[in-house]
Amino acid sequence: QKEVEQNSGPLSVPEGAIASLNCTYSDRGSQSFFWYRQYSGKSPELIMFIYSNGDKEDGRFTAQLNKASQYVSLLIRDPQPSDSATYLCAVRAGGGADGLTFGKGTHLIIQP
Amino acid sequence: GAVVSQHPSWVICKSGTSVKIECRSLDFQATTMFWYRQFPKQSLMLMATSNEGSKATYEQGVEKDKFLINHASLTLSTLTVTSAHPEDSSFYICSARVGQGTNVLTFGAGSRLTVL
Repeated sequence: QKEVEQNSGPLSVPEGAIASLNCTYSDRGSQSFFWYRQYSGKSPELIMFIYSNGDKEDGRFTAQLNKASQYVSLLIRDPQPSDSATYLCAVRAGGGADGLTFGKGTHLIIQP
Repeated sequence: GAVVSQHPSWVICKSGTSVKIECRSLDFQATTMFWYRQFPKQSLMLMATSNEGSKATYEQGVEKDKFLINHASLTLSTLTVTSAHPEDSSFYICSARVGQGTNVLTFGAGSRLTVL
């Protein structure tokens, strides 16, 4: 069974520091990796995606992928209180699979 | 940007009744839509993949006779929860892949179902 694991938190980070969120996945054949942000009572919104090993930067966000270790992370630079939310890691398997498998999410709290 | 509209955003119903949730792609055509369910403090669980013009593909453990999915057009998929019970109370979210050959999903706002 394909699994995506995240530390549920809460992860408390001071405003302006770097928030680091981690995710591991069980399916070695996974091809695509996504980070979504979900505010309480709302649906997820895409932050960024990554397909290749290494780092991918988009504004204050950097996604890191290590397929050998089956590990993907999200760094948030200069986080603000408005970044406080649950961050969901999602993985799409290879082989023509359609839907995404989500982790339970990490609850991030940015302290003013 | 691509928008997925979901309706209703919340619904309360009596046990034994059926509830229909609509998912529309507003400015793009979606041959495939996905229905997820999320219980409090839990992950999104894929229920089924809705394919325009054909039968939906259900995930293991999801009752296809209870959760009826219809994808009659390229912009509309519906999920009907039949004979709803309190344990069906959940947050139901639809999503669609934006464009051919992309893995990026856009989500609707979700529908919170409460069965009394």
